[in-house]
Amino acid sequence: RKEVEQDPGPFNVPEGATVAFNCTYSNSASQSFFWYRQDCRKEPKLLMSVYSSGNEDGRFTAQLNRASQYISLLIRDSKLSDSATYLCVAIQGAQKLVFGQGTRLTINP
Amino acid sequence: DTEVTQTPKHLVMGMTNKKSLKCEQHMGHRAMYWYKQKAKKPPELMFVYSYEKLSINESVPSRFSPECPNSSLLNLHLHALQPEDSALYLCASSPLGSSEAFFGQGTRLTVV
Repeated sequence: RKEVEQDPGPFNVPEGATVAFNCTYSNSASQSFFWYRQDCRKEPKLLMSVYSSGNEDGRFTAQLNRASQYISLLIRDSKLSDSATYLCVAIQGAQKLVFGQGTRLTINP
Repeated sequence: DTEVTQTPKHLVMGMTNKKSLKCEQHMGHRAMYWYKQKAKKPPELMFVYSYEKLSINESVPSRFSPECPNSSLLNLHLHALQPEDSALYLCASSPLGSSEAFFGQGTRLTVV
């Protein structure tokens, strides 16, 4: 079983739609979680941290459920520029970032 | 300066060559990382340095040799690589006590 699992997609949605990604992690000792975004042939960039209380940044909402070991990302009113691969990340120990396989999203005009 | 800078951006090397990848950051981050990413796969951790000391080696073959000469620089020395080592090599850094990692643009390595 992979340490961090994501639905690889691809997700193809029309502009303006709401899209949700899910991620599960197997190591219950993981303390911190993030969503990264990676554009084609570019480096991953931090999108947002994920907290149990849920956090929102504009059109993006992230949620963590520690009991279920489940992380989610919601994108509202999607834009063409949201097309990218979204990577779920769990931190193991002090510094080891463990990436999910990524979910590829394409927003269609 | 909020950047992690990697050089070169592209590298083609033969299986008998020796080359080095370089990474630099001036954000005062004391944790630095090397990741390897194959096409359509997520980044995979290779090495972590904390306070210029190697803290994690993810069982990487010895043909990859990391070096951290000071708190701003991280090198990856390459020798006798195989074609399957062709990948995007990403450097990252983070402040100690924080897990937010900042990635460089990567070096796209092709081994011929």
